[in-house]
Amino acid sequence: GENVEQHPSTLSVQEGDSAVIKCTYSDSASNYFPWYKQELGKRPQLIIDIRSNVGEKKDQRIAVTLNKTAKHFSLHITETQPEDSAVYFCAGNTGKLIFGQGTTLQVKP
Amino acid sequence: DTEVTQTPKHLVMGMTNKKSLKCEQHMGHRAMYWYKQKAKKPPELMFVYSYEKLSINESVPSRFSPECPNSSLLNLHLHALQPEDSALYLCASSQDSTSYEQYFGPGTRLTVT
Repeated sequence: GENVEQHPSTLSVQEGDSAVIKCTYSDSASNYFPWYKQELGKRPQLIIDIRSNVGEKKDQRIAVTLNKTAKHFSLHITETQPEDSAVYFCAGNTGKLIFGQGTTLQVKP
Repeated sequence: DTEVTQTPKHLVMGMTNKKSLKCEQHMGHRAMYWYKQKAKKPPELMFVYSYEKLSINESVPSRFSPECPNSSLLNLHLHALQPEDSALYLCASSQDSTSYEQYFGPGTRLTVT
């Protein structure tokens, strides 16, 4: 079955810096890769996603890139702000979402 | 309405109690999901309903019993739970089971004493 690995597990950046979170997946049949943001005590919120026929997708300060050959995808957050502090989960999908273990992002003011 | 709602927000129950968690969506979605989430861990899939029929049961113990009364509602009946079942229970929905965008409810924080 699908396995998704996510790195790093924690990430601390200064406000205004960029943050990058990377995930690798095992099943080449995976064709949809969402990213969820979960603030403390709140629901996971879908922030961006990418399908396997696209290499990059951008939405304001966040972007996701996908390398199908290498089976990895990454979340890029530019000009980070304190409100970006949260746990971020990547996921692959082969009929059901398979989540990575999460990255706790701390943005220091 | 673009939200998934869940009740109650918090629930404390003893190991001999019977309780139910409720989930509702009015987005016309035909797939609904139950997940369990422990602190600082990713959500773990428990059940999937597609067009009101149970399509996936991730080998969940029988003390958890899902029910989908109609296309907008999803229940999770709890009976004889163990302390290790304490967790955040999340409901999610998507347009259908082949549409991968899932939207989560706020969850029910369950404590089993």
